[in-house]
Amino acid sequence: AQKITQTQPGMFVQEKEAVTLDCTYDTSDQSYGLFWYKQPSSGEMIFLIYQGSYDEQNATEGRYSLNFQKARKSANLVISASQLGDSAMYFCAMGRYSSASKIIFGSGTRLSIRP
Amino acid sequence: GAGVSQTPSNKVTEKGKYVELRCDPISGHTALYWYRQSLGQGPEFLIYFQGTGAADDSGLPNDRFFAVRPEGSVSTLKIQRTERGDSAVYLCASSLRDRGQAFFGQGTRLTVV
Repeated sequence: AQKITQTQPGMFVQEKEAVTLDCTYDTSDQSYGLFWYKQPSSGEMIFLIYQGSYDEQNATEGRYSLNFQKARKSANLVISASQLGDSAMYFCAMGRYSSASKIIFGSGTRLSIRP
Repeated sequence: GAGVSQTPSNKVTEKGKYVELRCDPISGHTALYWYRQSLGQGPEFLIYFQGTGAADDSGLPNDRFFAVRPEGSVSTLKIQRTERGDSAVYLCASSLRDRGQAFFGQGTRLTVV
């Protein structure tokens, strides 16, 4: 069975600092995809970044990058130069590589940015 | 529409009643997902459609929950004999067949009183 673990229930970070949100996963599949979503207090789930298990380069999208360490089964999200608007819940998730499938989510990390 | 649309945004119903929640996916997206999210928790998978058929319904908690997608576009999640424990935000998402990342709607907040 697949599982996503996020061990940081909450984090506080000073504005403009970089922050790393931890995510570890467990799967017996060789082909999988990892995602990060942001959920502000408004409740919408916003897709941030995707990393495929066969992708050799770490994914980047603007200020977001995914630190993918396959041997350790970790997929940490790095946010550079944090902004007040980054305050939200962040969820790590796993599905299939390059095809639609059931996606499972972790329990989330609540990130709060201090001015 | 441009994004995933869910209606209603809020639904209050009495225990024991039947409810239907609707999801209109992004045009052209063949995959559609239903999730349930309780306060402070991650989304819990319910069911996933590829086209008209349910590709994986392993997350439906019991036979009171049912979902359909008759024409491969709009989907309806149906809950019979609602219980107070069914109160949650029900999220719908859609994606392309060959893309794993799903895009979510705003959700329907269901409250069973």
